[in-house]
This record gives sequence, C-alpha cells and structure tokens, in this order.
Amino acid sequence: ETGVTQTPRHLVMGMTNKKSLKCEQHLGHNAMYWYKQSAKKPLELMFVYSLEERVENNSVPSRFSPECPNSSHLFLHLHTLQPEDSALYLCASSRALGTSYYGYTFGSGTRLTVV
Amino acid sequence: AQTVTQSQPEMSVQEAETVTLSCTYDTSESDYYLFWYKQPPSRQMILVIRQEAYKQQNATENRFSVNFQKAAKSFSLKISDSQLGDAAMYFCAYRRPTQGGSEKLVFGKGTKLTVNP
Repeated sequence: ETGVTQTPRHLVMGMTNKKSLKCEQHLGHNAMYWYKQSAKKPLELMFVYSLEERVENNSVPSRFSPECPNSSHLFLHLHTLQPEDSALYLCASSRALGTSYYGYTFGSGTRLTVV
Repeated sequence: AQTVTQSQPEMSVQEAETVTLSCTYDTSESDYYLFWYKQPPSRQMILVIRQEAYKQQNATENRFSVNFQKAAKSFSLKISDSQLGDAAMYFCAYRRPTQGGSEKLVFGKGTKLTVNP
C-alpha cells in the first residue's frame, strides 16, 4: 500500500456503457494525475489537477471526463469508449509548489478492457 | 519538446551480477529532476531513485546508483548484486515544470529487466 488507492482494479465494459474510475490519496499531496499505459508505448499523460483545478488536458477525447472534487479524490468518468481505449490507467499524486520535488506516488492502476 | 529515450527494450542479468540500464533525454532547461521507476508485474510503479540536475554527485540508494552525465544528457541506472525481486519494467522519467505549480513527468518507453537464477 503506497498511499494512493485506485478502484476498481479491473474493469470490463461495453462500448455503450458508462463507468467511473476512482483514485484516492491521503498523503497531503495537492496535485493529481491520470496516465494511460498501453503496451509498447510510453506512459501518456491525460490530465493534471493542481489544487483541484485542471491545469492540463492533453488532447484527450471527450469520452474521458475527469473530476477532482477535493484534493484527496480524483475520478475518470468513461462513456462510449472504443476498443483502443483498453489499457492500464494509472493515477498518481505529488506535492506541488515545493522547493524540493520527490516525484509521484502511483496507485496500482485499473486494467480497463473495452469490448 | 522534452523526450526521454530508453534504447534497451529488454535486458537480462544473472542473479548477484551487475546490470546497467540506459536513459538519455533531451531538454534545453538547466534545472530539472530525473527519476527511475520500477514496475513489477503487480503494476505498482515504485520510485527507485531520483537525481537533481544541479547536484553533480550521483544519487545512490542501497544497490541502486545512477551515472548522471549532464552534458551528455545521460542518466543510466546501475543495479548491483541483482536479486530476483529486481525483475520488472524500469522507466526513466524527466520532470519539467508546468503552469499552476504541478510538475508532470515525461517517461521513456521502459526496459524490461529479467533476472536469471
């Protein structure tokens, strides 16, 4: 247990379904991130939230919708996904605005399969 | 744009031996951070070691050490006395600042390390 919890661990959904991924951290971090990890590709940054404000959206399709209701929780709402969206979705958090930087703490990821 | 390149998709090492994983990066900035992360089959990305660019001394964490060559933009990871538990994907990452104070990481494609008994 690293302090960042992601649920569910596995998710299979049809292309017409709506589902949500959840990420929770109680490390006192104030920045949270969604990454997509596909086979044989670098980790792709999807969204960045700093102090609960979305500061980056890397041209992610609108079928992915993030939500950050507070500094401890981050959601990724999914709807009408495509099979190519099947991947491991990783959440991470960090302590931003500091003079020293210690990198991310990652969750264990949600393995998403779109059928 | 900053990029991180790991030229070795796969590496293998005998248990108790030493292995070095390569990483190069491209940046025009002078102050930045570099990281090595480990991702075992359990999928948990774990921070192995970090290096601050303004520090010339190479970072060390127990059996893990780096060879940081700033001018060459090279950041290799050396694992000494390799153990079976070291088998994992290893990702090199570069940190660049973004607006709003968050600091996102740019990752390489990873190197899969196999440790042979």
